[in-house]
Amino acid sequence: GEEVAQTPKHLVRGEGQKAKLYCAPIKGHSYVFWYQQVLKNEFKFLISFQNENVFDETGMPKERFSAKCLPNSPCSLEIQATKLEDSAVYFCASSPYRGTGTDTQYFGPGTRLTVL
Amino acid sequence: AQTVTQSQPEMSVQEAETVTLSCTYDTSENNYYLFWYKQPPSRQMILVIRQEAYKQQNATENRFSVNFQKAAKSFSLKISDSQLGDTAMYFCAFRGETGTASKLTFGTGTRLQVTL
Repeated sequence: GEEVAQTPKHLVRGEGQKAKLYCAPIKGHSYVFWYQQVLKNEFKFLISFQNENVFDETGMPKERFSAKCLPNSPCSLEIQATKLEDSAVYFCASSPYRGTGTDTQYFGPGTRLTVL
Repeated sequence: AQTVTQSQPEMSVQEAETVTLSCTYDTSENNYYLFWYKQPPSRQMILVIRQEAYKQQNATENRFSVNFQKAAKSFSLKISDSQLGDTAMYFCAFRGETGTASKLTFGTGTRLQVTL
């Protein structure tokens, strides 16, 4: 598609429950990025993929967070045993292969996760 | 590690006037990319303008222009003829050239209010 799609739009979970978020990048884009925006508006990078391979996972809290980008499937971000501090808007962004000369990241509409 | 600083938490401008939002950054890289994103209340991240560090000419997009001062590591956004629809959070972002530097590092944002 021509836009980054994210589902669901809103997700509510009780503390300790699992949450799974999905992202379909723009068709033809090879890079996918996940960011977390907490209520103070601060953005935190979580993880990036080059196609189905993890490119950079330096921002991932590895104990409870995991992510995948499999061929012919939406990318996913999964949080096991959610905590109150996981409440945030999670953005997915995609970017073309760098060889095209462009490097802009295009963002999806985000998924708002509320942990009660 | 790169850092991005937006020193103005909030700004206000009257419709049709001009406003400048400030952004400074710190990096040891020579080539990189700078962006301004707009985030209206809908939370959608919208690219406003981008600048490649190796280009001396300041980028412009209609009413939006930047003042890029590489030596001073400054990247301000000027909005001319402000419109009510410009009301939003504005985020300055930095992206390095290669590898793990390719993630976006955001500033904390400036909330812009356009008034009648």
